[in-house]
Amino acid sequence: ILNVEQSPQSLHVQEGDSTNFTCSFPSSNFYALHWYRWETAKSPEALFVMTLNGDEKKKGRISATLNTKEGYSYLYIKGSQPEDSATYLCAFNAGGTSYGKLTFGQGTILTVHP
Amino acid sequence: KAGVTQTPRYLIKTRGQQVTLSCSPISGHRSVSWYQQTPGQGLQFLFEYFSETQRNKGNFPGRFSGRQFSNSRSEMNVSTLELGDSALYLCASREIGTHDTEAFFGQGTRLTVV
Repeated sequence: ILNVEQSPQSLHVQEGDSTNFTCSFPSSNFYALHWYRWETAKSPEALFVMTLNGDEKKKGRISATLNTKEGYSYLYIKGSQPEDSATYLCAFNAGGTSYGKLTFGQGTILTVHP
Repeated sequence: KAGVTQTPRYLIKTRGQQVTLSCSPISGHRSVSWYQQTPGQGLQFLFEYFSETQRNKGNFPGRFSGRQFSNSRSEMNVSTLELGDSALYLCASREIGTHDTEAFFGQGTRLTVV
């Protein structure tokens, strides 16, 4: 059974703070690591799909890094805004015969206070 | 481009009944996956279909089944419903290419078993 862990479980920050969370995944049989944002009453929405060790991706104030050798990815949010409040999920794809399966972490719930 | 459409959005069923949920993927997406979310649990993978074939299956009992049609639309069926099947069921579609691609999620079907 694949173990994908996210920390912290929840986070409260003030508007303007920068924050980051962690996703840990198996370092063997790595194919891809996904990050999703899930706002209340909406569908999960993809932020990044990362495939290469050392990958860094950026979208506006949000960025992510990937270390496949040690099995972790960080998601950073710079200058948090109330609209960033959401659950952030990472998902691991082992590829091979499991190609179509994404194994999700439990998520980090971010609340940004004005 | 229309997004992923799931029907119905809400459903109340009685223990012992069976239920069928429907998912229409984004046009051109041939991979459709199903996930279950229960309170306190992350997104749990149910199964994935590609070109009408089930490629992967999660750790769920045989009461959970699915199928995919030639137009890529997918249905999932749960027979002999139990109270513990109450959950949000999400469907996601993906393009299949040479690299891993993001999943596009529907709004989900909220199933309540009473």
